[in-house]
Amino acid sequence: QVQLVESGGGLVKPGGSLRLSCAASGFTFSDFYMTWIRQAPGKGLEWVSYISSTTGTIYYADSVQGRFTISRDNAKNSLYLQMNSLRAEDTAVYYCARWGRDTTGYFDYWGQGTLVTVSS
Amino acid sequence: DIQMTQSPSTLSASVGDRVTITCRASQSISSWLAWYQQKPGKAPKLLIYKASSLESGVPSRFSGSGSGTEFTLTISSLQPDDFATYYCQQYNSYFTFGPGTKVEIK
Repeated sequence: QVQLVESGGGLVKPGGSLRLSCAASGFTFSDFYMTWIRQAPGKGLEWVSYISSTTGTIYYADSVQGRFTISRDNAKNSLYLQMNSLRAEDTAVYYCARWGRDTTGYFDYWGQGTLVTVSS
Repeated sequence: DIQMTQSPSTLSASVGDRVTITCRASQSISSWLAWYQQKPGKAPKLLIYKASSLESGVPSRFSGSGSGTEFTLTISSLQPDDFATYYCQQYNSYFTFGPGTKVEIK
């Protein structure tokens, strides 16, 4: 069965960096676009970034453009999010999610999330 | 940017009730709309995609309709497992989620 498992979250000071990972299993990872979505405590969902199946296409939300970098290693079935210059407003649970098979932009499987807290 | 709104923000209902949630887009998104269910402390779960297509494994009491700027999610007979928060998401132009509708026990 499809599984997505995020890791790498934690407490970091403003201006610091963190790298999130998402380990995928149960499907052919290299066939699917992947995305990161976040949810601030008690708030709604915010799309962060996506990457195409072969890394040829990458997009970011304006709120993280220039600070976050998405990447993937298809040989390791893994998705990553490098987060630099972190701000208090980046505090959230970060989910990795798989795009639907038709690659139109809905997300059919989600990980359990990893909490990132930015605080001094 | 496309903005999404949902109404109501909170809905109180009883088991067996028919429940309808509305989602509106700030501009036409054709049928590029998905619905998700989220329970506290859990990841969202896909229910509906392309406005009205039921995701595999999702009970048939869930249905979606609409196109353009106005969409609805209907639960035909609310079950105890359905008390949760529901989000719509447009994927016509990048991705935007609605603010959510919490379905609570009346």
